Amino acid sequence: AQTVTQSQPEMSVQEAETVTLSCTYDTSESDYYLFWYKQPPSRQMILVIRQEAYKQQNATENRFSVNFQKAAKSFSLKISDSQLGDAAMYFCAYGGSNYKLTFGKGTLLTVNP
Amino acid sequence: EAQVTQNPRYLITVTGKKLTVTCSQNMNHEYMSWYRQDPGLGLRQIYYSMNVEVTDKGDVPEGYKVSRKEKRNFPLILESPSPNQTSLYFCASGMRREGTAFFGQGTRLTVV
Repeated sequence: AQTVTQSQPEMSVQEAETVTLSCTYDTSESDYYLFWYKQPPSRQMILVIRQEAYKQQNATENRFSVNFQKAAKSFSLKISDSQLGDAAMYFCAYGGSNYKLTFGKGTLLTVNP
Repeated sequence: EAQVTQNPRYLITVTGKKLTVTCSQNMNHEYMSWYRQDPGLGLRQIYYSMNVEVTDKGDVPEGYKVSRKEKRNFPLILESPSPNQTSLYFCASGMRREGTAFFGQGTRLTVV
C-alpha cells in the first residue's frame, strides 16, 4: 500500500520569505500523480499544484513550485514571496493506478507579518 | 461554473437515525470519492467510484454505504450513525487522464 509522510507538523515563515514543505512517499508503481492541497481555516480543500510522475520537469504555479525527486520518492513544495493568505494546512497527496488518493497528515504553515 | 456540491454543509443528528449526504459534480468526471477528516488522522478515504455502478472500499468503509447510479451523483449513506462518525466529510471528483481531484466544500457531521 502507498504511504505519504509529511515530517513537519508545523512550519513558520516571515512574510515575503521562502519556505519549503517536505513530503516523501512510498510506492512500487511507475505511473502516478502527486499533489499539494491547501486547507485554509474555511476548511475548503484547494488544489495548489500537481506533478505527473513521468514528467521530469518540476511543476510550477506562480509562487508555488515543487522539487520532485522520483528516485528518492520525495516531493517538496516551495512557496516563494510568502503572503499572509498562504497561512493554512498543506497536504501532500499521492494518486496511483486506481486513482485512489492517499494523503499525508499535513503541515500547518504560519506566516508571520 | 465547474464544481462539486455537497449537501448539507452542516448536520447534527442522533445515534441510529439514517442519513444521506449528497454529492453532485457537473464536470462529467469518471472518478468520485468520499473522505473523512479527523484531527491527527488527516484525510482518509471511505469509498470511491471509477464509473457508474463501479464502487470500491477505501481505507475506512465500515458504517458507510455508497451508490453510483448516475455519473454526476455519489451519495454517502450512514444507515445507523454512531458518535465515532462525527467528522468533516469531503466528496471529490476527477478524471483519470487529468490526474486531478476537485473537492466539495465539506459536510460537518455531528452524531450525538
